[in-house]
Amino acid sequence: EAQVTQNPRYLITVTGKKLTVTCSQNMNHEYMSWYRQDPGLGLRQIYYSMNVEVTDKGDVPEGYKVSRKEKRNFPLILESPSPNQTSLYFCASSLTSGRALGTGELFFGEGSRLTVL
Amino acid sequence: GQNIDQPTEMTATEGAIVQINCTYQTSGFNGLFWYQQHAGEAPTFLSYNVLDGLEEKGRFSSFLSRSKGYSYLLLKELQMKDSASYLCAAGGTGGGNKLTFGTGTQLKVEL
Repeated sequence: EAQVTQNPRYLITVTGKKLTVTCSQNMNHEYMSWYRQDPGLGLRQIYYSMNVEVTDKGDVPEGYKVSRKEKRNFPLILESPSPNQTSLYFCASSLTSGRALGTGELFFGEGSRLTVL
Repeated sequence: GQNIDQPTEMTATEGAIVQINCTYQTSGFNGLFWYQQHAGEAPTFLSYNVLDGLEEKGRFSSFLSRSKGYSYLLLKELQMKDSASYLCAAGGTGGGNKLTFGTGTQLKVEL
């Protein structure tokens, strides 16, 4: 089954304790992206990757890191989480062809709800 | 930069038709997308418009006017399961393949 898998789905942590949210897709997609979703603010892009070893900042990259060492995996790293990073996080992937996002169809993971105390 | 505006909430009756509007401002526009998101779930793709006009997919249709920076999603024969948030998103090439989402329109379908 074609899917994007995120782990963990739920996490409560404390300020400053490094954590990683993993994301894996089995569709051989080139494009992967991380979003956070907050009430009243919608989905905001954190980082995205056009292909292996190619990553770029989105609209809200501060406090986050990513890596793309393999095509299927795109982990999101919070080196020193703070309470303002409490949010619902979505990983997404898509075929990409040149400038456009292919058909535009982003496949989303089920989301990771993170609480930082 | 990119800016997306859509109504926060709408209510409609089962069996009726509802139109959800979206206006956008974006650099390097390369398409307008609609996603559906049920509470507690991930967004799922509904439609993609890059040329002006109407795209129809069953009960759902999406319209785009590039000159006006305007799109709408039309839902016909509403069903209770259509109660969800509908996200308008504009694709742009500024700084790479960026997809900027609006804050979503929460649609409530009532009997």
